[in-house]
Amino acid sequence: QKEVEQDPGPLSVPEGAIVSLNCTYSNSAFQYFMWYRQYSRKGPELLMYTYSSGNKEDGRFTAQVDKSSKYISLFIRDSQPSDSATYLCAMSEGDTGKLIFGQGTTLQVKP
Amino acid sequence: ETGVTQTPRHLVMGMTNKKSLKCEQHLGHNAMYWYKQSAKKPLELMFVYNFKEQTENNSVPSRFSPECPNSSHLFLHLHTLQPEDSALYLCASSQDGQRGQPQHFGDGTRLSIL
Repeated sequence: QKEVEQDPGPLSVPEGAIVSLNCTYSNSAFQYFMWYRQYSRKGPELLMYTYSSGNKEDGRFTAQVDKSSKYISLFIRDSQPSDSATYLCAMSEGDTGKLIFGQGTTLQVKP
Repeated sequence: ETGVTQTPRHLVMGMTNKKSLKCEQHLGHNAMYWYKQSAKKPLELMFVYNFKEQTENNSVPSRFSPECPNSSHLFLHLHTLQPEDSALYLCASSQDGQRGQPQHFGDGTRLSIL
């Protein structure tokens, strides 16, 4: 079993839709959770960073962490064609800087 | 310049060549990382350097040889590579490699082995 599971998609939605991206994990020691966005031919860009359980909102993006279910989500409201990218979840234990990444979900937002 | 810069952006080499990838970060960070990104697979951590000292080698074949002369620069020396080594090689940095700090990535070097 992989430490972090993420559906690779692709996920195709119309412009303006609410997008839900998810990851599950098996290591209960993970405490730090991140979402990265990666455009084609570019490196991953940090989008959201959260510690432990709860929600965090930044503009159209909301990150949720449910440690009891070992499940994290990224919601994108009013999705735009410029949101078309691959979204990577990443997480880390509390005592190291090592990040474990999901496979990434490819999102396409159609005008 | 800002962020993390990687050169070259693209590299094509034969299996017997020797080449080097370069990474430079302008964020004042003290930890630097090499990752391999292949299609349909999660990012694979290769090496970690913290304050110029190698702190992790994730069972990487010896045909990949990292070098970190200072906290701002990281190199990956390549020799006698195999076709399966073709991938995007990403460099990242973080403040000091501690306690789940976010990492900041460069745009990578796309490596193709003939």
